[in-house]
Amino acid sequence: KQEVTQIPAALSVPEGENLVLNCSFTDSAIYNLQWFRQDPGKGLTSLLLIQSSQREQTSGRLNASLDKSSGRSTLYIAASQPGDSATYLCAVRRSRNQGGKLIFGQGTELSVKP
Amino acid sequence: DAGITQSPRHKVTETGTPVTLRCHQTENHRYMYWYRQDPGHGLRLIHYSYGVKDTDKGEVSDGYSVSRSKTEDFLLTLESATSSQTSVYFCAISDLRNSYEQYFGPGTRLTVT
Repeated sequence: KQEVTQIPAALSVPEGENLVLNCSFTDSAIYNLQWFRQDPGKGLTSLLLIQSSQREQTSGRLNASLDKSSGRSTLYIAASQPGDSATYLCAVRRSRNQGGKLIFGQGTELSVKP
Repeated sequence: DAGITQSPRHKVTETGTPVTLRCHQTENHRYMYWYRQDPGHGLRLIHYSYGVKDTDKGEVSDGYSVSRSKTEDFLLTLESATSSQTSVYFCAISDLRNSYEQYFGPGTRLTVT
């Protein structure tokens, strides 16, 4: 059974710092992996999608990497800003069958202090 | 943002009453999902649909039913609401065209008293 773990559960950093959020999964046979952001009281916003054949994806100040063999993904946020404060979730998609159902981690709550 | 709306956005209901939540999409995505999000449990899949009239159970489907009569609409029904179904409910969509990248709606906060 696929399990997804995100450590730490919460992280507080000063503004301007570069930071890394971690995601690990137990079964390396994944189709792709998706990172989301969730602001309090809001829905999830998709940040990055990495296919199983890719090593990384970049969008602006965000860079996500994937190491399937070790069951790990990281989300790198450069030059953090208070507006980056949110909960970040990763989710793995085991296969393209059944609409590519996602298995979610519990999330990392990020606070960026001015 | 993907064109996904959920209604109602907030609802308070009494134990034992039926409740229907609606998800509407304008993206013509094939797959639609209902999740619930609870502190300590994260996001859990309730039901999903892989086409009109084609649905299947997720990991927490007891007490819930779904229907999809049109591509754009996916309904979640709590047949007899219980306090344990107090939660935030999210709808999501995906399609092969986007490598199944999932897009989420704004959520419905349901309180069962």
